[in-house]
Amino acid sequence: DQQVKQNSPSLSVQEGRISILNCDYTNSMFDYFLWYKKYPAEGPTFLISISSIKDKNEDGRFTVFLNKSAKHLSLHIVPSQPGDSAVYFCAASTQTGANNLFFGTGTRLTVIP
Amino acid sequence: DVKVTQSSRYLVKRTGEKVFLECVQDMDHENMFWYRQDPGLGLRLIYFSYDVKMKEKGDIPEGYSVSREKKERFSLILESASTNQTSMYLCASGNPGNQPQHFGDGTRLSIL
Repeated sequence: DQQVKQNSPSLSVQEGRISILNCDYTNSMFDYFLWYKKYPAEGPTFLISISSIKDKNEDGRFTVFLNKSAKHLSLHIVPSQPGDSAVYFCAASTQTGANNLFFGTGTRLTVIP
Repeated sequence: DVKVTQSSRYLVKRTGEKVFLECVQDMDHENMFWYRQDPGLGLRLIYFSYDVKMKEKGDIPEGYSVSREKKERFSLILESASTNQTSMYLCASGNPGNQPQHFGDGTRLSIL
């Protein structure tokens, strides 16, 4: 049973425009959410995270929004650059235990020059 | 910078062999994890460890075991490799609480 879902397997965006990647979750106990970026033949790289006490976190071109009532989070990349082309995974965890992460299935972002 | 090192980038083994995948982290993290990544399925947790000699099953532990004899090293063992264990294997480490996990570059394992 997939507790974290990314319903869009792929997304194409023009360079300079905004990329919006979406993620939904079902477990209301999740209180920490992360986005990872993965290039082929490399491991996932941590990008940005947000705690459930916030609804927005920003780091340069990357902003994550959390809507707890809708159990939805999104990653905004502005402006998008060709180097952003990668697979993006969202993940979620609870504070209990060893901080296990539950991952979505990923969205492949292609930024067209 | 956090460094998680996996011993092999690519590995080819035969059905029935015992396979060892090694992972070392240099940031004194408490927790270590093994995932596999398959197309359309994302990353799925196989096993994790929150302390030396401690281990917990993840979502898909069948056919696997792990060993953590030292804090910095976490090994994944395929007791008798099967073709359905052909996958990308990713090791990660991190600390408890709201902290990100950091990943190695992965081992692409093919079982023939």
